[in-house]
Amino acid sequence: GESVGLHLPTLSVQEGDNSIINCAYSNSASDYFIWYKQESGKGPQFIIDIRSNMDKRQGQRVTVLLNKTVKHLSLQIAATQPGDSAVYFCAESGLNDYKLSFGAGTTVTVRA
Amino acid sequence: EPEVTQTPSHQVTQMGQEVILRCVPISNHLYFYWYRQILGQKVEFLVSFYNNEISEKSEIFDDQFSVERPDGSNFTLKIRSTKLEDSAMYFCASSDLEQGSIQYFGAGTRLSVL
Repeated sequence: GESVGLHLPTLSVQEGDNSIINCAYSNSASDYFIWYKQESGKGPQFIIDIRSNMDKRQGQRVTVLLNKTVKHLSLQIAATQPGDSAVYFCAESGLNDYKLSFGAGTTVTVRA
Repeated sequence: EPEVTQTPSHQVTQMGQEVILRCVPISNHLYFYWYRQILGQKVEFLVSFYNNEISEKSEIFDDQFSVERPDGSNFTLKIRSTKLEDSAMYFCASSDLEQGSIQYFGAGTRLSVL
């Protein structure tokens, strides 16, 4: 079946460094890709999204890159802070299908 | 900032009992969803709801599950006869008409079936 997944389950980052979280997807018909952050005991929190007709989108301290050729999505966090420690999920949905399919998640730990 | 609220935060029930999980979506949103997350696993889609009817459901959402929007603010998930494997975090989410894929999640209800 089609799925969204992440390359690495954990990532340890020094405070102040940049983080890169990767995600591979298999559904070439996906239209939206979204990154969510989930802190302990909380629900997923929307970070940033990108449509399939784009290859890069920037937000505040975050950048999402989409490479449709290799079906790869990444989230870059600049100047990682302790508050960035969380599990990060990529998710995808179709053009007229708002059901989100989530990847397995990457746990980011920021070292002081 | 508007948010999705869910009650209760933790529900403990005996196997075979019925449970109702409650959600208040963001007020101007028109799409509503339920997802679940078994401990340590990824978030899984259960059902989407629009215009007072189910628009899509997953294989997990069998006859034991139902959803309802009983009034203009609440959105509920009912599990008729709970099983041990229903133990999970259940998240409600909502999205607006223009950006249906950008879903905002509640903090979740932890369901423990004993």
